[in-house]
Amino acid sequence: DAGITQSPRHKVTETGTPVTLRCHQTENHRYMYWYRQDPGHGLRLIHYSYGVKDTDKGEVSDGYSVSRSKTEDFLLTLESATSSQTSVYFCAISESASGDTSTDTQYFGPGTRLTVL
Amino acid sequence: AQSVTQLGSHVSVSEGALVLLRCNYSSSVPPYLFWYVQYPNQGLQLLLKYTSAATLVKGINGFEAEFKKSETSFHLTKPSAHMSDAAEYFCAVSLTGGFKTIFGAGTRLFVKA
Repeated sequence: DAGITQSPRHKVTETGTPVTLRCHQTENHRYMYWYRQDPGHGLRLIHYSYGVKDTDKGEVSDGYSVSRSKTEDFLLTLESATSSQTSVYFCAISESASGDTSTDTQYFGPGTRLTVL
Repeated sequence: AQSVTQLGSHVSVSEGALVLLRCNYSSSVPPYLFWYVQYPNQGLQLLLKYTSAATLVKGINGFEAEFKKSETSFHLTKPSAHMSDAAEYFCAVSLTGGFKTIFGAGTRLFVKA
C-alpha cells in the first residue's frame, strides 16, 4: 500500500469554526490532491498541488484553501466550516515522469469523515 | 469538457454470475479512462486503466474493460462474481495535459450468495 495517512480520521465541528485536515505521504510523489466524496457525486476535486508551494483550484474550491510547505504534507483548510462541507475527504498522490499526469494512477488515503453541525 | 456517466447507482448479482458495470464518457479529444474500486471505509484503489494502447484492458481480481470509441463506453466486466467483489466502483476520465481526473458518481455492487 502507498504510504498515505490522513489526520484526523473523524472530526465533528460546529458551523463557523476553522478546520484543518492533514495529508502525509512517504512516497515522495510530486502531485497531491484533495477530493470530497458525497453520495451521488462521486469524487470531486477541491485543490491539487504540483510541487512545494505550487497549488491550484479544482472544481469545488470555494470555501477551501490549501498549503504545501513540504513534499510530504498537503493541508486542507476550511476557514469557516459550513454544513454543506460535511463530507468524506480523500487525499491522493501520483507521480509522473513526463509531467503529464493524465495517465497517472492516483493512490488514495483512507479518508477523513467531517461532520459540521 | 470531459464527463463520465455510470449507468445504475446500484447493481445486484448472484455469486458466480457475470458482473457488468456500465460507464460512458464524453470528451472532445481521446480520453484516458480508469476504473477504481472502493471497499467500505477505505480509499479508492485502481482496478485498471486505458491509456490508448490495447482497447481491451485487464485489471486486478479478474476484472477487464473494453474501450469502445464508437460507443463512447468503457464498461467493466468480470465473468464470475465473488462475494469479495461487493464494493463501490468508480469510472473516471482524464485528458492529455490535464491535472484533473473526473470521476463518475459510482456504482455500488451487491453480490448475493
